[in-house]
Formats: sequence, structure tokens, C-alpha cells
Amino acid sequence: KQEVTQIPAALSVPEGENLVLNCSFTDSAIYNLQWFRQDPGKGLTSLLLIQSSQREQTSGRLNASLDKSSGRSTLYIAASQPGDSATYLCAVLPLYNFNKFYFGSGTKLNVKP
Amino acid sequence: NAGVMQNPRHLVRRRGQEARLRCSPMKGHSHVYWYRQLPEEGLKFMVYLQKENIIDESGMPKERFSAEFPKEGPSILRIQQVVRGDSAAYFCASSPGGFYYGYTFGSGTRLTVV
Repeated sequence: KQEVTQIPAALSVPEGENLVLNCSFTDSAIYNLQWFRQDPGKGLTSLLLIQSSQREQTSGRLNASLDKSSGRSTLYIAASQPGDSATYLCAVLPLYNFNKFYFGSGTKLNVKP
Repeated sequence: NAGVMQNPRHLVRRRGQEARLRCSPMKGHSHVYWYRQLPEEGLKFMVYLQKENIIDESGMPKERFSAEFPKEGPSILRIQQVVRGDSAAYFCASSPGGFYYGYTFGSGTRLTVV
């Protein structure tokens, strides 16, 4: 059974810092991995999607990498801003079931001005 | 296109009452998924439905929970005799043909049981 773990659970940094959020998964048979952002009381916003054949994806100040063989992904946020404060969720879509995401518990990020 | 619409946004129920959560998928989407997010946790899959059919309900609690997606109208997640442990955010996602073809999440319904 797929299990997704995110470390750290919470992170507080001063504005301008570069930071790394970690995601690990137990079963490497994945179709894709996706990073979401969740603001308090709100829904999910998709940030980056990495197909299993890809190593990384970039969007603006965000870069996500995927090492499928070791079951790890990292989300790199450059030059963090207070507006980046949110919870970041990692989710994997398994090869054997295209209709069931497995989510991590998230990293709650606070960027202090 | 209004996206995936969930209502109500917030729902308060007393223990023992019934909760009905509604999800209207995006236009053209015939696949609906329900996820539950307990406080400080990630989202957990509950059920996957197509029009008039339950495809996968492996994440649904065995008792008190049911889901439907009728030919006309929204998908409904129904929780009977709610308990405090049912307090959570319930998210719906829709897809035109399974997640492989893309999907959109709604903003969720926050259920509080008092």
C-alpha cells in the first residue's frame, strides 16, 4: 500500500530564504507526482506535476524534482515571500490505479516579513 | 466555466443528525471523486463515482456513509448519525474520464459536528 510522508510538518523562515520541502513515497510504481498548495479554509491549487519519466519541473520560483527509484521528491522555493505562506501537499498517482491520489500530510510553511 | 462547485461551504451538525454534501462537477465531467481531510492531515480517498455508478468505494467507512451521482444533478455524499470524528473538510474532484485525462478539485465543505 502506498504511503506518502512529508517532512518537515511545519517550517518558519524569514522572507528571502531559499527552502526545500521533502516528500517520500513507499511504492515507486507511480504514474505521476504532484505538488499542491492549500491556503487556510480553501481548496487545492496545483503547483507542479511531474510525470514518472521526468526528473524535474519548474514554474517561476518553484522547482520540483523526482527520484522515483528512491521514492523521493523535493519542492524547492527560491527567494521565499510572505505570500508563499500556505500548506504544501505532495500527492502520487499510482500506476495500478489512475483514480486514487495518495496524499502526504503536508508541510505548513510560514514566511515571516 | 464555474469549476467544481461544492455546497455548502460550511456545515454544522449536531451529533446524530444527517449531513448532505453536494458536488457539481465541471461541465462535461462525468467522473467524481470524494476525499476527506481530517485536521492536520492530508486528503484521503473515499469514493469514485461515474454517472449512476459507484466505481471504487474502498475508502468509504463501512457504516453511516454513502455516496451517489445520479443521472441528473450533483453528486451527494451523505453521512448519517454524524459523530464528532466526522468533523473534517470534504473535497470533491471531477474529471472528464479518469484522472489520466485531468481533474479539478473543488474548494471543499467544512463539516463541524457539535
